[in-house]
Amino acid sequence: QSALTQPPSVSGSPGQSVTISCTGTRNDVGSYNRVTWYQQTPGTAPKLMIHGVTNRPSGVPDRFSGSKSGNTASLTISGLQAEDEADYYCSSYTSRSTYVFGTGTRVTVL
Amino acid sequence: QVQLVESGGGLVKSGGSLRLSCAASGFTFSDHYMSWIRQAPGKGLEWVSYITTSGSTMYYADSVKGRFTISRDNAKNSLYLQLNSLRVDDTAVYYCSSAGGEYWGQGTLVTVSS
Repeated sequence: QSALTQPPSVSGSPGQSVTISCTGTRNDVGSYNRVTWYQQTPGTAPKLMIHGVTNRPSGVPDRFSGSKSGNTASLTISGLQAEDEADYYCSSYTSRSTYVFGTGTRVTVL
Repeated sequence: QVQLVESGGGLVKSGGSLRLSCAASGFTFSDHYMSWIRQAPGKGLEWVSYITTSGSTMYYADSVKGRFTISRDNAKNSLYLQLNSLRVDDTAVYYCSSAGGEYWGQGTLVTVSS
């Protein structure tokens, strides 16, 4: 099972919007609305940001939003803040009843 | 509050074995599928395995199939991962989490030396 493809890095100034893509196949992202996004800062465990493609757990700011089109899911951070600087990973359920993570994206706030 | 506490990591030689444990509290453990995820030093997250609520069904990544075994004891609110035939590239921080991703432990480091 190959990892989902994410850009290595994205950056933006405070207040701007950034979007992270997560490209899979028809055997994972394309077939299931079970895409999850995680935020990870150095030395800490990942934190759930989005589940079920678009759903935000309580406590996650509404500037984080998720979407999907075909085999590609996306995470958008609107109104970027300094505290959003972190690594972000997508994950998807697959046709083999397993899960696969994305390659990870470093978000830098300029 | 919700806690997942992993233990059992350490330094082991290639070909050796370890058993990781994860003690859960603060939520109804038996209602949740549970997963193990690992992260090699400086690398990304890799899904390893998950187990259903009853423990009757388990799934594994191809990279660990046949070498690792996931299990759980709902009476003890505990999740386990037996690691056999360890390889240098199994070196990583191993996290236990609820399969939905809402709860994570702090991780335990497994280092496999040659």
